[in-house]
Amino acid sequence: AQSVTQLDSQVPVFEEAPVELRCNYSSSVSVYLFWYVQYPNQGLQLLLKYLSGSTLVKGINGFEAEFNKSQTSFHLRKPSVHISDTAEYFCAVSESGSEKLVFGKGTKLTVNP
Amino acid sequence: DAGVIQSPRHEVTEMGQEVTLRCKPISGHDYLFWYRQTMMRGLELLIYFNNNVPIDDSGMPEDRFSAKMPNASFSTLKIQPSEPRDSAVYFCASSNPERYEQYFGPGTRLTVT
Repeated sequence: AQSVTQLDSQVPVFEEAPVELRCNYSSSVSVYLFWYVQYPNQGLQLLLKYLSGSTLVKGINGFEAEFNKSQTSFHLRKPSVHISDTAEYFCAVSESGSEKLVFGKGTKLTVNP
Repeated sequence: DAGVIQSPRHEVTEMGQEVTLRCKPISGHDYLFWYRQTMMRGLELLIYFNNNVPIDDSGMPEDRFSAKMPNASFSTLKIQPSEPRDSAVYFCASSNPERYEQYFGPGTRLTVT
């Protein structure tokens, strides 16, 4: 079975600062990895996904993530955040080829002016 | 496309009552997922369907919960009888096979008093 650990439950940053949201996973088989974003009172929206190929994945809204198999990590980064990036971010994992996702507990990103 | 549609958006009911949550997936999506989100447990997969057939219901908490998908454009999640610990936001999501991109509805906020 897969599991996901998001190491920070809350991350406050100032506008235009860089941010990294950490995600580690556990699995005995090969995996697909995802980051979703949830804005207040909305459903989740896919930011980016890693299925295979290049370990650096670029997503929407200027976010990117890097798959590190040896560290079993998939950290999310953005070089310069905006107020509008304030939201909760969820890392998720699935067994390769499976549609079933296991989500982490989420990281609340707050961007302050 | 209107996206995934869920109804009602909010439901307040008394303990012991039957609750039915409804979902219309995106047209053409073969997979449908039901999730529950709470502060304590995060985002949990309850059940998912492929081509209207339940594939994995291991996340359904107990026999009080049931889900059906009578056709490709409609699914229900029923709780009977409801209990205060069922209070949560319930999300429906749908996806195309092999795209590994789940599209979430806006959720139904259920409060059981």
